[in-house]
Amino acid sequence: GENVEQHPSTLSVQEGDSAVIKCTYSDSASNYFPWYKQELGKGPQLIIDIRSNVGEKKDQRIAVTLNKTAKHFSLHITETQPEDSAVYFCAASKRSNDYKLSFGAGTTVTVRA
Amino acid sequence: SQTIHQWPATLVQPVGSPLSLECTVEGTSNPNLYWYRQAAGRGLQLLFYSVGIGQISSEVPQNLSASRPQDRQFILSSKKLLLSDSGFYLCAWSGGGREPQHFGDGTRLSIL
Repeated sequence: GENVEQHPSTLSVQEGDSAVIKCTYSDSASNYFPWYKQELGKGPQLIIDIRSNVGEKKDQRIAVTLNKTAKHFSLHITETQPEDSAVYFCAASKRSNDYKLSFGAGTTVTVRA
Repeated sequence: SQTIHQWPATLVQPVGSPLSLECTVEGTSNPNLYWYRQAAGRGLQLLFYSVGIGQISSEVPQNLSASRPQDRQFILSSKKLLLSDSGFYLCAWSGGGREPQHFGDGTRLSIL
């Protein structure tokens, strides 16, 4: 099955700096890659997603890039703010597997004021 | 707009007791429904998913079962809980296109 690896497991950044989280996937047939943000005691919330026919997608301070050849995708958060502190998960899925999501292990992001 | 509800938010149960966690979705029809478990500091593991009433697919062998008695209701059950069943259980839904999945706020289950 699909194996998604996520790095780093923890990330501490100064407020205003950028944060980058990287994920790799094993199944070249995967074609959908969402990113979720999970705050303490809450369920994961979708923050951005990208499909395999697109190389980059931006939404305000958040961007995701996808390299299909290398089978990796990354989340970029610019101008980080304290409210960006959370656990972030990447995931991958494919149509032939009913779009069941395979998740990375998560990255705990701490934004220092 | 669509909303998803899970209850209870927290639950403490003794080993060997039964379990019933409920999830309901509002504002959509015929959603795909999912149960995940999240161990501390880990990612999410898919336990069950359902594409319609009475249709349940199990992803991992375990002490749990799922049922979908109504279109927008998904139930996670166990007849006898084990210590290893402790964790954070999340329900999610998606539309007909199967993506994206939207999560509820979960149930924190502690087994004593």
